[in-house]
Amino acid sequence: GESVGLHLPTLSVQEGDNSIINCAYSNSASDYFIWYKQESGKGPQFIIDIRSNMDKRQGQRVTVLLNKTVKHLSLQIAATQPGDSAVYFCAEGTGGFKTIFGAGTRLFVKA
Amino acid sequence: DAGVIQSPRHEVTEMGQEVTLRCKPISGHDYLFWYRQTMMRGLELLIYFNNNVPIDDSGMPEDRFSAKMPNASFSTLKIQPSEPRDSAVYFCASSASAGRLGEQFFGPGTRLTVL
Repeated sequence: GESVGLHLPTLSVQEGDNSIINCAYSNSASDYFIWYKQESGKGPQFIIDIRSNMDKRQGQRVTVLLNKTVKHLSLQIAATQPGDSAVYFCAEGTGGFKTIFGAGTRLFVKA
Repeated sequence: DAGVIQSPRHEVTEMGQEVTLRCKPISGHDYLFWYRQTMMRGLELLIYFNNNVPIDDSGMPEDRFSAKMPNASFSTLKIQPSEPRDSAVYFCASSASAGRLGEQFFGPGTRLTVL
């Protein structure tokens, strides 16, 4: 039969609203965490990173929160725009430059 | 800078054929990564290089896959012989050790279809 692929979690938001994308990571020893955005037909693009000794970091319209107690990471996008529609990946890294990507969340922005 | 360059962008081949994917990293970057993306398994790290030396190839699925980096501006990922289950989008990415930790710059990918 046909293989069953990954069923990406999907978040649908209204343009102008705030979006919160969540991620659970697995390795409590990870030194840093990154959020990437992947638009259709393109490679992932770096958005923001956070080191394990921080719990919050802000960028332009984005905020990343890290809760090491429950191994949870979130990406908040303020005033979501149609151009924010994409798949968002969290990734974790330890020591060197090896980065492990999560499954991704699809964000739909309704105009 | 043109960013990471990959070729070809699309490749269709028949089972058993050899496939070679090419990557030119961003000039000055000392890390290079090969990833595979499928609906089944998501984005998987296959191998990465530092200063042209393979550091971790634990993600390479089997001996049919090999990767080389003969110089700082070129890398290849070869599949021989190819199988239908190798169909995927293959991404090359590069990063600089002096840059933001974990920030990788991805190429546009090569969509491989093995019939």
